[in-house]
Amino acid sequence: DGGITQSPKYLFRKEGQNVTLSCEQNLNHDAMYWYRQDPGQGLRLIYYSQIVNDFQKGDIAEGYSVSREKKESFPLTVTSAQKNPTAFYLCASSIWWGTGGFDQPQHFGDGTRLSIL
Amino acid sequence: SQQGEEDPQALSIQEGENATMNCSYKTSINNLQWYRQNSGRGLVHLILIRSNEREKHSGRLRVTLDTSKKSSSLLITASRAADTASYFCATLDAGGTSYGKLTFGQGTILTVHP
Repeated sequence: DGGITQSPKYLFRKEGQNVTLSCEQNLNHDAMYWYRQDPGQGLRLIYYSQIVNDFQKGDIAEGYSVSREKKESFPLTVTSAQKNPTAFYLCASSIWWGTGGFDQPQHFGDGTRLSIL
Repeated sequence: SQQGEEDPQALSIQEGENATMNCSYKTSINNLQWYRQNSGRGLVHLILIRSNEREKHSGRLRVTLDTSKKSSSLLITASRAADTASYFCATLDAGGTSYGKLTFGQGTILTVHP
């Protein structure tokens, strides 16, 4: 079955440590996204990528970094510069609107819950 | 910034009743989408309505869109306990620096009691 796999499900970060969240998709989607969700809140966009080797900052990119070396993979690094990293992180993918039009739903993984030790 | 504002923040009903959730937004949109999130899980796409559409149905779901009021509603008819989840509206922006980005509201928590 096609889908998006996020790992790990739970992650703990020590002070001053960088951690990387994995996101892999086998839906053959060009576009991928990272969102942050805080308790009782909606999703906020961290980074998005419309094509391999290209990515754009979202609304809250400070303290985060990404890479897009393969179509299937879009890892997110939470750096030590992110002072409040505790949240639920969601990865999503979709057909890019530039090729498939605007009526493209996003498909989500089951998230990674990051906490501070 | 959050585009969508949802109302109510929480809704508690009995099985068999209808549930209505509302979403308001601020800027010009290309389409509006509704998603569902079960506790601790990712979001699942439910339905999409384009800016030139007024109403759309999918099974027990009915979505309306009023672009003059910049608002949308999601109606779930004959609700079931399995419908218990958080529901989010999301707007695809149609212009400016947010072109092509999906912006999510803060969600409505729906609890359906058996």
